[in-house]
Amino acid sequence: DAKTTQPTSMDCAEGRAANLPCNHSTISGNEYVYWYRQIHSQGPQYIIHGLKNNETNEMASLIITEDRKSSTLILPHATLRDTAVYYCIVRVRAQGSGYALNFGKGTSLLVTP
Amino acid sequence: DTGVSQNPRHKITKRGQNVTFRCDPISEHNRLYWYRQTLGQGPEFLTYFQNEAQLEKSRLLSDRFSAERPKGSFSTLEIQRTEQGDSAMYLCASSLSPLGGSSYNSPLHFGNGTRLTVT
Repeated sequence: DAKTTQPTSMDCAEGRAANLPCNHSTISGNEYVYWYRQIHSQGPQYIIHGLKNNETNEMASLIITEDRKSSTLILPHATLRDTAVYYCIVRVRAQGSGYALNFGKGTSLLVTP
Repeated sequence: DTGVSQNPRHKITKRGQNVTFRCDPISEHNRLYWYRQTLGQGPEFLTYFQNEAQLEKSRLLSDRFSAERPKGSFSTLEIQRTEQGDSAMYLCASSLSPLGGSSYNSPLHFGNGTRLTVT
């Protein structure tokens, strides 16, 4: 199973780009990288996912290195509402026919005024 | 689309009592997941349904835990003889399964959870 490593916490000034790194050096060729975030007292929220190519949506950009061993989630203009725990997940195939996402502890991002 | 709904939001119970939580997924989603989250930790996978079939259970799901999804729509998670260690946030998520044998997992849509406190 591919595991991920993320910094425990990060700070970012409001209006600046937040760059959240993730290492997944044991990722397999067909495993996707997913990013979720969890704002206090809420359930996790899907942000973005990718396989090989860089991806962008209305929330964020995902940059995946060519060897796929690491990725970076970019929030281009962080706001106070982006303060949350960010989880980088490599899809793990559970026993049987199901697929489970293992969240780990994530990175606690604090956006400051 | 009203999102994933979980009830109740909070539950306080005494040790030894049984509790049941309900999850209503997004209507067209055929997959439903239960997760547990303790303070300072990320969500941990408990079990997963494809329609009404429970296809996978984590080792975390002890014999005191049972989950059902009788008609492939809403799901219930019951904990019997609750223990203080069961205190946690119980999260439900749903998704739409991909076509064919793709390794891609559709994004999970989570509810805001049921917070259980066992005293």
